Amino acid sequence: NAGVTQTPKFRILKIGQSMTLQCTQDMNHNYMYWYRQDPGMGLKLIYYSVGAGITDKGEVPNGYNVSRSTTEDFPLRLELAAPSQTSVYFCASSSVRNSPLHFGNGTRLTVT
Amino acid sequence: AQSVTQPDIHITVSEGASLELRCNYSYGATPYLFWYVQSPGQGLQLLLKYFSGDTLVQGIKGFEAEFKRSQSSFNLRKPSVHWSDAAEYFCAVGARDDKIIFGKGTRLHILP
Repeated sequence: NAGVTQTPKFRILKIGQSMTLQCTQDMNHNYMYWYRQDPGMGLKLIYYSVGAGITDKGEVPNGYNVSRSTTEDFPLRLELAAPSQTSVYFCASSSVRNSPLHFGNGTRLTVT
Repeated sequence: AQSVTQPDIHITVSEGASLELRCNYSYGATPYLFWYVQSPGQGLQLLLKYFSGDTLVQGIKGFEAEFKRSQSSFNLRKPSVHWSDAAEYFCAVGARDDKIIFGKGTRLHILP
């Protein structure tokens, strides 16, 4: 049982490049979330989704985009990478509203 | 919108001593409350959750937390800490808007 899988684990981007962070879950969860974690700042919610075709902004959505075409996948897109997007990104899922989150292992992104 | 405050960035306790980590939330109705733990270089693991009912909830690894509506608090406690409890601890709150918001975290250090 894989749970929540994030790829890649590490990535270095140059300023202005774009990339997609992949997130997939095999638990048939409707709710999926993207967070970024910066030292001393905790986890900040970027975007979330309550089901296929439905996404909404979190606390810090600027510079990111998401899509949710299937229940399993919730990719996060960075269009024009900036140094401020250097962070560790976590994807999480849950079965119903406000139930415990299952986290992926994270993607460490550096933008230089 | 809901929010979470963890007043202590770092806490140091001696092995075998008791522990209390503070969490205050802001939300107009009864929130859903969570404590997660993150060991170095790892993802987040759920320690315990509060949805309703008994205000004292038991979690894994010997942790417990008490919901106090009058103080808008959900403090985490453990009667006797072990060196393996050294980690970062996050309080989180969920509400009707489907968002789950995290505090900035408290890093726990254990003295031998």
